[in-house]
Amino acid sequence: GENVEQHPSTLSVQEGDSAVIKCTYSDSASNYFPWYKQELGKRPQLIIDIRSNVGEKKDQRIAVTLNKTAKHFSLHITETQPEDSAVYFCAASIAGGGNKLTFGTGTQLKVEL
Amino acid sequence: SQTIHQWPATLVQPVGSPLSLECTVEGTSNPNLYWYRQAAGRGLQLLFYSVGIGQISSEVPQNLSASRPQDRQFILSSKKLLLSDSGFYLCAWSVFFGEKLFFGSGTQLSVL
Repeated sequence: GENVEQHPSTLSVQEGDSAVIKCTYSDSASNYFPWYKQELGKRPQLIIDIRSNVGEKKDQRIAVTLNKTAKHFSLHITETQPEDSAVYFCAASIAGGGNKLTFGTGTQLKVEL
Repeated sequence: SQTIHQWPATLVQPVGSPLSLECTVEGTSNPNLYWYRQAAGRGLQLLFYSVGIGQISSEVPQNLSASRPQDRQFILSSKKLLLSDSGFYLCAWSVFFGEKLFFGSGTQLSVL
């Protein structure tokens, strides 16, 4: 089955700096890659997702890049703000293939003032 | 629009007691439904999923069970809780299996 590895497990940045979280996946057939943000005690919320037919997707201060050859994808957050502090999870699945979504182990992002 | 309801928000139960957590989805038909558990500071562990009424798939052998008595209702149960059952339980739904999961607000279960 699919295996998703996520790094780093914790990340601390200064407000205004950029943050990058990286994930690798094992199944080359995976074609759907979402990112979730989970604030303390809250539900995970989908913040952005990408399919394998594109290499990059942006939504305001967040972007996701995908390298299918290397089987890795990354979340980029620019101009970080304190409200970006949360745990971020990447995930992968084979869309339309009846495969469950496999999550990474999460990255605790702390944006310091 | 679609909404997901999960209750209760918090629950404190003694070891050996039964458990019933309920989740309902509104605004959609035949959703894919999921139960996840999250231990403190840990990742998301898929417990059960269902692609239709009465269809339950188990990911992890344990003393928990799931049922889907109605199209948009998903129930997580246990006959006798263990200390290790403590955690944050999340229900989720999606239109397409394995894509764009939307989570409920979660139940914080403490087994004492």
